[in-house]
Amino acid sequence: GAVVSQHPSRVICKSGTSVKIECRSLDFQATTMFWYRQFPKQSLMLMATSNEGSKATYEQGVEKDKFLINHASLTLSTLTVTSAHPEDSSFYICSASRPDPRGRWGTQYFGPGTRLTVL
Amino acid sequence: QQQVKQSPQSLIVQKGGISIINCAYENTAFDYFPWYQQFPGKGPALLIAIRPDVSEKKEGRFTISFNKSAKQFSLHIMDSQPGDSATYFCAASPPSYTGNQFYFGTGTSLTVIP
Repeated sequence: GAVVSQHPSRVICKSGTSVKIECRSLDFQATTMFWYRQFPKQSLMLMATSNEGSKATYEQGVEKDKFLINHASLTLSTLTVTSAHPEDSSFYICSASRPDPRGRWGTQYFGPGTRLTVL
Repeated sequence: QQQVKQSPQSLIVQKGGISIINCAYENTAFDYFPWYQQFPGKGPALLIAIRPDVSEKKEGRFTISFNKSAKQFSLHIMDSQPGDSATYFCAASPPSYTGNQFYFGTGTSLTVIP
């Protein structure tokens, strides 16, 4: 299988604090990891793409200084929400890309998500 | 610009019925089409995927139909069950060894009534 874990699953924090979310691919090495944000009953909004050992690529409109991404290894990426505010409350989901050994069709596997609530 | 258009936005089906969700795309470079199933409060899970060398792929009660000339693909859920109630996302991707560049549809909320 292809298992991706995320920790924590749920976090509540006070406004102004920073929160770190970890994403791990448990049984494969992920060439690329992605971070998404999802509002209730809405689609997945890609925030950024990260490759191991290099700087993340952020989508337009996503503040890179607010959402810090570190991709320390082929199995671990972290998203830090800095100086969180209530409007940052959301469901954050990571995905890890498993390469296709046949060379063409790599697939993204998602973590279970992290519910962030900023008071 | 939405690269993948998905419809309907929501769908209500009786238990035992067939659920059909449609997606359309414009980019002819796309050649990998996965479907994801998401339950409330959970991350999306890969359900089934198709490549353009076939027109249909079936896994249990789930079938993808693919029409390359029309640039459309659809998910059929046969004998729909209440446990299938979830949000379904289609996606499309150009050839990519690493699985980058997935473009997702806007999602379909499926409710199966007992």
